[in-house]
Amino acid sequence: DIQMTQSPSSLSASVGDRVTITCQASQDISNYLNWYQQKPGKAPKLLIYDASNLETGVPSRFSGSGSGTDFTFTISSLQPEDIATYYCQQYDNLPRAFGGGTKVEIK
Amino acid sequence: QVQLVQSGAEVKKPGASVKVSCKVSGYTLTELSMHWVRQAPGKGLEWMGGFDPEDGETIYAQKFQGRVTMTEDTSTDTAYMELSSLRSEDTAVYYCAAEHTEGNYWGQGTLVTVSS
Repeated sequence: DIQMTQSPSSLSASVGDRVTITCQASQDISNYLNWYQQKPGKAPKLLIYDASNLETGVPSRFSGSGSGTDFTFTISSLQPEDIATYYCQQYDNLPRAFGGGTKVEIK
Repeated sequence: QVQLVQSGAEVKKPGASVKVSCKVSGYTLTELSMHWVRQAPGKGLEWMGGFDPEDGETIYAQKFQGRVTMTEDTSTDTAYMELSSLRSEDTAVYYCAAEHTEGNYWGQGTLVTVSS
């Protein structure tokens, strides 16, 4: 089974800062990677699919890159409404696997 | 517009079973690959199982094999997840999540509380 290792588990940054989260797959998953945002009490919301494609309606300050085993998620300019937990998820095969999550807070 | 609407919160005793439903609208179930994900309080997302369109079978996470059953009623476009032999560690929000070539859709979540 594929394991997804996400880091950091939490971070604190100032409004306007660039924020980067990494996700590493235990084996090659090509570009079959999603990034989700989850706010408390809500279902996860898909932000990025196929590692780098922005879901319709998602602000352009969010971006993703990578392929194979190493992936990066970036918020170019952190906004107060971006406070949430972010998860990566591979969908190359079953079982699906999520990263452990990154809780993003405002400094 | 695609919507997944789940059944309401449940409180169960240890050893009991729970069956959560997920009603789909905007697509038919046969157009989607349905998965179930759970989230224990303060914890991350955990994939429980889902449909593999390549094999045409439902695959369960090893952790839940023997305790979970995922079914679909295509006449009502409703998916179900039944978890048996409940224990306190199964207290969580359970989500249905549908995959389609055009997108990825989630239900609102169903809180299942296991308590004596």
